[in-house]
Amino acid sequence: DAGVIQSPRHEVTEMGQEVTLRCKPISGHDYLFWYRQTMMRGLELLIYFNNNVPIDDSGMPEDRFSAKMPNASFSTLKIQPSEPRDSAVYFCASSFGSGGANEQFFGPGTRLTVL
Amino acid sequence: SQQGEEDPQALSIQEGENATMNCSYKTSINNLQWYRQNSGRGLVHLILIRSNEREKHSGRLRVTLDTSKKSSSLLITASRAADTASYFCATDGSNTGKLIFGQGTTLQVKP
Repeated sequence: DAGVIQSPRHEVTEMGQEVTLRCKPISGHDYLFWYRQTMMRGLELLIYFNNNVPIDDSGMPEDRFSAKMPNASFSTLKIQPSEPRDSAVYFCASSFGSGGANEQFFGPGTRLTVL
Repeated sequence: SQQGEEDPQALSIQEGENATMNCSYKTSINNLQWYRQNSGRGLVHLILIRSNEREKHSGRLRVTLDTSKKSSSLLITASRAADTASYFCATDGSNTGKLIFGQGTTLQVKP
C-alpha cells in the first residue's frame, strides 16, 4: 500500500489566489482528517469525514476554507482567497474506524507558502 | 485549547540514555495515543493505550497512563540517534472520533 498520498508536496502562491490541496486516503479507510501545523499553533484538526460525510468542521478557520470528499478515495481542501497567515504544513490522515480509537495514518504533508 | 500538553518541550540526551516525555490532559479520555514526527515528515503512530490500561510496551517504548492524574508518559530506552524527532501525545476526548494533539516534545539524541 502506498499510504496516504498528498499533492502537491509544496505550494507557493500569492495572496488572493485560490489553493487546492489533494489527498488520497488508504484504501478501505472510512475516516479522513485534515490538519494544519504551524510553529505557533501546533497541530490543529480542521475537519474530518466519516464515509465521505463531513462530521466536524469546527476547526476550519473561516469561510475561506472548504473541504470536500466526493468519494472514498479522494478529498480536497480549498482556500479561497489565500492569505499569508494560511502559510503552514497541511496534513491529511486516514483511519479504519474512529480516529480517536484507532491509529491514524498521516500523509507527507503539503507545505503551503502564501506570499 | 490544547487537550494534551507535553513536558518537557525539548530534550537532549546522549545515545544509549533513556528519554522520558510526559503528557497531561484536561478532560476524561477513552484512549491516548503517541505519535512521532521526523523533521519534514508526517506523523507516525507509535502506541495506543486505553483508559483501562496502566502500562503498555512496544519494543523499546514503554507508555504509562494515570487517569487519576490525567497524565501519561512515554519512555524510550537505550535511545539511538534515529530516535531524534518530535513526539506528540493525542487524546480522543469523548467518543468524538477525533484526536486532539499536544504541542509535542522535541527529542535530540546525540551520537
